[in-house]
Amino acid sequence: QVQLVESGGGVVQPGRSLRLSCTASGFTFSSNGMHWVRQAPGKGLEWVAVIGDTGSVDLYADSVKGRFTVSRDNSRNTVFLQLNSLRTEDTAVYFCAREYRHDNWFFDDWGRGTLVTVSS
Amino acid sequence: EIVMTQSPATLSVSPGERATLSCRASQSVNNKLAWYQQKPGQAPRLVIYDASTRATGIPARFSGSGSGTEFTLTISSLQSDDFAVYYCQHYNNGPPVTFGQGTRLEIK
Repeated sequence: QVQLVESGGGVVQPGRSLRLSCTASGFTFSSNGMHWVRQAPGKGLEWVAVIGDTGSVDLYADSVKGRFTVSRDNSRNTVFLQLNSLRTEDTAVYFCAREYRHDNWFFDDWGRGTLVTVSS
Repeated sequence: EIVMTQSPATLSVSPGERATLSCRASQSVNNKLAWYQQKPGQAPRLVIYDASTRATGIPARFSGSGSGTEFTLTISSLQSDDFAVYYCQHYNNGPPVTFGQGTRLEIK
């Protein structure tokens, strides 16, 4: 079955960086766009970024544009999210999610998430 | 950016009764609307996509309807496992895709 496992979260000071990973199994990884969605403590869901199946297209929410970078390594079935210039408002659980259908950005499989806490 | 508004914020329903959750888009999203269920400490789970198609493994008591700007998720006979937070999400165009703020479905 499909599995997505995030890692790399932790506590970091404002202005610092962090790199999240999401390792996939149970499907042909190179066939799906992959997304990151975050959820601040006690809050709703916010879409963050997408990377296309080949890695040639990456798009971002305005709130993270210029600070976050999504990438993927299809040989390792892994998608990454580089978080730079972190702010306290970036504190959230970060989920990776599989795009169900090409160019239809809804998500049929999710990881359990990794918590990023930005605090001095 | 399309704003998704869910109502009510909290819905209290007794087991065995029907629950109706609403989602409104600030502009038409055609039928590009998904619903997710989220329980505490868990990832969201896809329930409905394309406004009315049940995702794999979702029981028939869940149904979705609507198009354009008005959508509804109905759970026909609530089971204990159904009490959770439900989010709607449009994917008509992006970026960004946006979620509603959620409806908490609680036991009455």
